[in-house]
Amino acid sequence: GESVGLHLPTLSVQEGDNSIINCAYSNSASDYFIWYKQESGKGPQFIIDIRSNMDKRQGQRVTVLLNKTVKHLSLQIAATQPGDSAVYFCAENQAGTALIFGKGTTLSVSS
Amino acid sequence: SAVISQKPSRDICQRGTSLTIQCQVDSQVTMMFWYRQQPGQSLTLIATANQGSEATYESGFVIDKFPISRPNLTFSTLTVSNMSPEDSSIYLCSVEGLAKRDTQYFGPGTRLTVL
Repeated sequence: GESVGLHLPTLSVQEGDNSIINCAYSNSASDYFIWYKQESGKGPQFIIDIRSNMDKRQGQRVTVLLNKTVKHLSLQIAATQPGDSAVYFCAENQAGTALIFGKGTTLSVSS
Repeated sequence: SAVISQKPSRDICQRGTSLTIQCQVDSQVTMMFWYRQQPGQSLTLIATANQGSEATYESGFVIDKFPISRPNLTFSTLTVSNMSPEDSSIYLCSVEGLAKRDTQYFGPGTRLTVL
């Protein structure tokens, strides 16, 4: 079936490093992608999104890259901080359909 | 920015009982969603709740087990009926289109433990 998955369940980095979290999706018809951050005991928090007519989008310290050829999505976090420690989920959908979530990557940032 | 709240934030319940979870948004929204997040897992959509119509349930979820109400554009409830320990999860509501069209924003979740 169609699903969204992540390459690595955990990622450990040092404070100040750049982090890259990856996601593979299987539905080539998906045209909207979102990254969420979920801290312990909280609901998912929107970080950044990208539509299929783009291949890169930047926010504050975060960049999302979309490679439609290989159906790959990544989230880059610059100068990672301890407050970035959380579980990160990618999600995708196409117009009019439900959002499908990937399995999540736990990011641990050590000082 | 809009605020999404849920009540209760957590509960411990006995098997066989039912719990109703409330989701309140401080602005009017058309589409509200209910998700389940089992321990250490990702989010799974239970149903979509639009005001003025019956909720639409995803495969594996039925109305008798998870009845949903959507009386107006700012409020929804999800009931977890006849609970068993397998229902222990975080239940999350989300809304679409608060700040960005198509984007879903989530409430803080309700952590349910069934003994």
